Amino acid sequence: DGGITQSPKYLFRKEGQNVTLSCEQNLNHDAMYWYRQDPGQGLRLIYYSQIVNDFQKGDIAEGYSVSREKKESFPLTVTSAQKNPTAFYLCASTQEAGWSGANVLTFGAGSRLTVL
Amino acid sequence: AQSVAQPEDQVNVAEGNPLTVKCTYSVSGNPYLFWYVQYPNRGLQFLLKYITGDNLVKGSYGFEAEFNKSQTSFHLKKPSALVSDSALYFCAVRANTDKLIFGTGTRLQVFP
Repeated sequence: DGGITQSPKYLFRKEGQNVTLSCEQNLNHDAMYWYRQDPGQGLRLIYYSQIVNDFQKGDIAEGYSVSREKKESFPLTVTSAQKNPTAFYLCASTQEAGWSGANVLTFGAGSRLTVL
Repeated sequence: AQSVAQPEDQVNVAEGNPLTVKCTYSVSGNPYLFWYVQYPNRGLQFLLKYITGDNLVKGSYGFEAEFNKSQTSFHLKKPSALVSDSALYFCAVRANTDKLIFGTGTRLQVFP
């Protein structure tokens, strides 16, 4: 079955440590996205990539970094500079790149990061 | 700037009764409107979308939504709620080439 795989599902981190969340898709989708979900705040866009080797900052990119070396992979690193990293992180993809049109997002199951 | 509002944090309904989850939006230009559902500790799943045409849009699991341009609303509805419909529902909007904006979510609780 095609889909998006996020790992790990649960992650605990000590303050000051960087952590990388994995996102892999086998849908052959062009664009990939990272969202952060906090209770009562909906989803906020961290980074997105519309093509390999290119990515753009979203609304809350500070303290995060990404790479897009392969079409199917879009890992997110939560750095020690992120002041409040405890959250649920969602990776998504769309078949077509670009924000125009009626692209439907396909989501992974999420990764829950807790900073101790 | 575009925005979307879900005025109710939680909606409670008895099984078998009709349900409505409200969504209003503000955009410049013609909107693309979406509803997604999230079950506990899972990603979001697409339910339905409005692009153009018929104001009543039918989606997955018996859900439908009505686009009302004059009221800038896109309320999600279902004629008969199931306990298994209990989940977190997100409305989202996009206009032109702007990014997709999500509402804060409405938790639907269906009681047996």
